[in-house]
Amino acid sequence: GAGVSQSPRYKVTKRGQDVALRCDPISGHVSLYWYRQALGQGPEFLTYFNYEAQQDKSGLPNDRFSAERPEGSISTLTIQRTEQRDSAMYRCASSDLDREHNEQFFGPGTRLTVL
Amino acid sequence: DQQVKQNSPSLSVQEGRISILNCDYTNSMFDYFLWYKKYPAEGPTFLISISSIKDKNEDGRFTVFLNKSAKHLSLHIVPSQPGDSAVYFCAASGPQGGSEKLVFGKGTKLTVNP
Repeated sequence: GAGVSQSPRYKVTKRGQDVALRCDPISGHVSLYWYRQALGQGPEFLTYFNYEAQQDKSGLPNDRFSAERPEGSISTLTIQRTEQRDSAMYRCASSDLDREHNEQFFGPGTRLTVL
Repeated sequence: DQQVKQNSPSLSVQEGRISILNCDYTNSMFDYFLWYKKYPAEGPTFLISISSIKDKNEDGRFTVFLNKSAKHLSLHIVPSQPGDSAVYFCAASGPQGGSEKLVFGKGTKLTVNP
């Protein structure tokens, strides 16, 4: 596709359930990033991958959050045993490896609501 | 602690005038700075960037200025147009060779009045 796509666009779940959020980056982009954005805030870094390798997961809030990118393309962010405080917009971005031009291209996001 | 700060939550200007959006940062290891624009119900869109080796970068109506000693950058939009109305996020990354994550400010909502 032409841009970063994310699915689902909206997810409502009950507290305690597991959710999986998917990101399909721009074709050929090596780097893939996950951010979380609360209302009235900027995106907050969670984790990122170069190819299939997770380079930095320092932003994951706790061990209920995990991410994978097994084939270096599509990525899944999984939240286990969801809690109401996990409700937010989850954004995915991708970029190429040209460090001088580290523009990250964002997808439309997945709005997660935990009841 | 917030490493990237946008202290003005909102800004309103008249069409044709200059819009100046400000951003301050605290981490002296940041070496690359970006501005993103966000319309409602869409993801942030890259607008313009600047490396720490420069103090100015210009792209059409958009110019970003960087003052490293003051740890301050600003985005100038001249002339402002109603279509520029959006939320603008300042972001920073670095040091080069480290994590590629972006650290964002809270955003400034710009309204350009016709």
